[in-house]
Amino acid sequence: GDSVTQMEGPVTLSEEAFLTINCTYTATGYPSLFWYVQYPGEGLQLLLKATKADDKGSNKGFEATYRKETTSFHLEKGSVQVSDSAVYFCALSDLEGGYQKVTFGTGTKLQVIP
Amino acid sequence: DADVTQTPRNRITKTGKRIMLECSQTKGHDRMYWYRQDPGLGLRLIYYSFDVKDINKGEISDGYSVSRQAQAKFSLSLESAIPNQTALYFCATSDVRGGFYNEQFFGPGTRLTVL
Repeated sequence: GDSVTQMEGPVTLSEEAFLTINCTYTATGYPSLFWYVQYPGEGLQLLLKATKADDKGSNKGFEATYRKETTSFHLEKGSVQVSDSAVYFCALSDLEGGYQKVTFGTGTKLQVIP
Repeated sequence: DADVTQTPRNRITKTGKRIMLECSQTKGHDRMYWYRQDPGLGLRLIYYSFDVKDINKGEISDGYSVSRQAQAKFSLSLESAIPNQTALYFCATSDVRGGFYNEQFFGPGTRLTVL
């Protein structure tokens, strides 16, 4: 079945540091890929997505490129801020038995210190 | 107003009690989902519904049941709560229009503690 593996956290960075959170996946079909963010006390919200190979999703300074050859979708940001402190989830959406199935990674907690 | 709402936001109950968590949405989406979140395990799917008459079990449905009362309402029940059902529960919706790969929209979550 489908699976998503992301780097374990927590990740602690100083403000303005470069961020990379690794995500790799296995899928039987041709999935769409997502990054969701969960701020403290809130539900998940979509950060960015990519629907086909070589697509780059971007939002709020974050970027991720759909790499089919390496089955990866790493999240990057050039300069993090304290307000980026949150838990980040990589996810894929695929068809299974005619239904949409979404598989989430375990989440990576990011803490940005001033 | 929030597009996906959950009630209650927090609940403490005792082993053996019946509990219902409710979810309402104003997004007009046909698809609704219930997940639970546990530290280190990410989100796991409990049940999902693609319309009022289409309800399906997810990967961890044992001990849970659901009811889709209307397009906008999807309730999760724990018939006899047990301590290992202590978790954060999320409702989510997605739109069937535009294909099978649309993002999901999440409610704020219900923190359930079973003593």
